[in-house]
Amino acid sequence: GDSVTQTEGLVTLTKGLPVMLNCTYQTTYSPFLFWYVQHLNEAPKLLLKSSTDNKRTEHQGFYATLHKSSSSFHLQKSSVQLSDSALYFCALRAYQGGRALIFGTGTTVSVSP
Amino acid sequence: GPKVLQIPSHQIIDMGQMVTLNCDPVSNHLYFYWYKQILGQQMEFLVNFYNGKVMEKSKLFKDQFSVERPDGSYFTLKIQPTALEDSAVYFCASSLTDNNQAPLFGEGTRLSVL
Repeated sequence: GDSVTQTEGLVTLTKGLPVMLNCTYQTTYSPFLFWYVQHLNEAPKLLLKSSTDNKRTEHQGFYATLHKSSSSFHLQKSSVQLSDSALYFCALRAYQGGRALIFGTGTTVSVSP
Repeated sequence: GPKVLQIPSHQIIDMGQMVTLNCDPVSNHLYFYWYKQILGQQMEFLVNFYNGKVMEKSKLFKDQFSVERPDGSYFTLKIQPTALEDSAVYFCASSLTDNNQAPLFGEGTRLSVL
C-alpha cells in the first residue's frame, strides 16, 4: 500500500544553521506530496505542497522539490529560527489511489539559541 | 482566514461510555476527515466523508466508530463504547476538493478515556 517514510525522529540544531528533513514515499499512483508543520498543542498547518516533478516549491523560507525518480520530497531551509521548533510531517495523497492523506511518522525539530 | 472549529477542546469520559466529537468545518468545504494522534506522534487517518457518505476508512476506524453530518451541521465522530486505547487527540479536517487542495485542520479534541 501507499506509505511515507521520514527517517529522522528528532533533529536538534542551532539557530542560523541549515536543515534538511528527509521524506520518501511509495505509491503506484500519481503522487501529491505535502509538508505540514505542527507547533505544540496546535493544529497541523500546511507548509508546502507539490505534484510537479523536479519543480522547487517555497514558502516561508522553506523549500522542497518533488523528485519522482527517487520518490522523495525533502524539506529544506537555509537558516533556521527559534520559531521553527516544531513537529514536521510529510504526507502523501496518491491520486486515484485514495483521497486520504497518509502521514509519515514526523520529525521533531528543536532549534537552540 | 477560514478555520475548522472543534468542540470541545478536551473531553474526559469513563471507559464504556459514549462520546461525540464535534467539528464545524469551513462553510463551503465538501470533504471531511478525521485523524487520530497519540502524544505528538504520527497523524493516523481514520475516515473521510463526502456527500453524506463515508468514502474511505482505515483499520483504526473500528465498528464502535461512526461519523455523520446531519443537515449540513457539525461533522461528528461518535465512539460507542469507548475503550482506553481511544485516548488520543482527534483532528478534524476539511477541504473543498479532494485532489490538489490540502485539508485544513482544526486544533483537535483531546479525548481522555479513564
